Amino acid sequence: DGGITQSPKYLFRKEGQNVTLSCEQNLNHDAMYWYRQDPGQGLRLIYYSQIVNDFQKGDIAEGYSVSREKKESFPLTVTSAQKNPTAFYLCASRSLSGRGDQPQHFGDGTRLSIL
Amino acid sequence: LAKTTQPISMDSYEGQEVNITCSHNNIATNDYITWYQQFPSQGPRFIIQGYKTKVTNEVASLFIPADRKSSTLSLPRVSLSDTAVYYCLVGDPAVSGSARQLTFGSGTQLTVLP
Repeated sequence: DGGITQSPKYLFRKEGQNVTLSCEQNLNHDAMYWYRQDPGQGLRLIYYSQIVNDFQKGDIAEGYSVSREKKESFPLTVTSAQKNPTAFYLCASRSLSGRGDQPQHFGDGTRLSIL
Repeated sequence: LAKTTQPISMDSYEGQEVNITCSHNNIATNDYITWYQQFPSQGPRFIIQGYKTKVTNEVASLFIPADRKSSTLSLPRVSLSDTAVYYCLVGDPAVSGSARQLTFGSGTQLTVLP
């Protein structure tokens, strides 16, 4: 089935450690996105990418980094500079072609906690 | 960027029709209106999208008045499994890849009671 796969589902980070969250899509979508969601809150955009080897900062990019070396993959690294990384992280993708405003397709998220 | 405003929460009973309204006073000419549903610990799921008047699919209807400054998501005969958070977004398809569609507010928590 086509879709977005995020892994791992749960992740624990020690203080001062970088961790990388995986996001893979087989929908042949051009654009990919990373969001952060805190309890009881909406989604906030961290980074997005329209094309391979290009990405833009969202509203809360500080303490995070991304890469887009392949169309189907958009990993997110939570660096030690992110002082409050505990959250639910969601990856999404979207086609940039076709009629109308193509909706986003989301993965099932990674829940990151600090040890 | 079009800001959206929705009620924080709504309660309903099984079998009732539920209408959730979203305000988007500064919607731009080319903006579409999209609604998503999110269950706990899952990613949001696309429900419906529209530009004007009325759109209907197998799960919901979307009503958009002529001035497009608001929209109403209608869920017919809700069940307990419709308990979720519902988000309204506006965006411009011509601005491909931009962040215009990507501002999620806090959404509306719908609770369906037995």
